[in-house]
Amino acid sequence: QSALAQPASVSGSLGQSITISCTGTSSDVGGYNYVSWYQHHPGNAPRLMIYDVSNRPSGVSNRFSGSKSGNTASLTISGLQAEDEADYYCSSYTMTSTVVFGGGTKLTVL
Amino acid sequence: EVQLVEAGGGVVQPGGSLRLSCVASGLTFRNYWMSWVRQAPGKGLEWVANIKQDGSERYYMEGRFTISRDNAKNSLYLQMSSLRAEDTAVYHCATSRYSGKYGAFDIWGQGTIVTVSS
Repeated sequence: QSALAQPASVSGSLGQSITISCTGTSSDVGGYNYVSWYQHHPGNAPRLMIYDVSNRPSGVSNRFSGSKSGNTASLTISGLQAEDEADYYCSSYTMTSTVVFGGGTKLTVL
Repeated sequence: EVQLVEAGGGVVQPGGSLRLSCVASGLTFRNYWMSWVRQAPGKGLEWVANIKQDGSERYYMEGRFTISRDNAKNSLYLQMSSLRAEDTAVYHCATSRYSGKYGAFDIWGQGTIVTVSS
C-alpha cells in the first residue's frame, strides 16, 4: 500500500487560509468516507483534527475543515495562527482493511 | 484521564525480535479497536497493525509483526521479528472513540523507541 500523496510543504501568512491536499486512489480515499487529518508538533503525540472526511472532534477549532472530491481529500485551515505551524498528515481506510497515512505536509506560518 | 503507555522498546540487532506493550487506563479497553502506528526518524506516520475488540480480527501492514491483546490486563502487544534497520522508529499505540477500525485515532500514547542496529 503506497502512502497517500501530500505536498511536502505549504505556507501562509497569519490570518490567511491554506489548503492541504491528500491524493489516493479509488481503493482508499475515493472508496470510503474514512479520511482523517492529524496535526503533529514534533515531540508530541499527533492530534486528530478531522475524521470521516469532514467531522471535527470536540475541542478542535472550526477554523479547520475537511472535504473530499473523488480520490483527493483536502484540509483547509482558515485564519492562520502561529500555533497552526506543524506537520499535517492525512489517513484513509483502504480496501484491504488497513489504514494508510499520507507522507505529511509541513505548514509554515509566515 | 485517558492514557496509553507504551513500553518494551530498545536496541536490537538486525534479525532480532522485540515485544512491545501498551497499557491503557481511563477507558474501557475491551470496547476499542487498537492500533500500532510508527514514525521512523525524519519520516512520516506509518500504520502498522490493528486488532478488534475481542481479538477476532487483525490486520497488518506486513507479515513480520503480530498484534495481540489481553483485555483482562488492559494491554496491547506487538511482537516484532526479523527486524530490519528500516523498522527503527517510535512506535505508538493508538485508538479512536469515533471509528477505531477505520482510523480517526484521537487517543495516542507517547511512544516507545525501537532501534535496530548492530
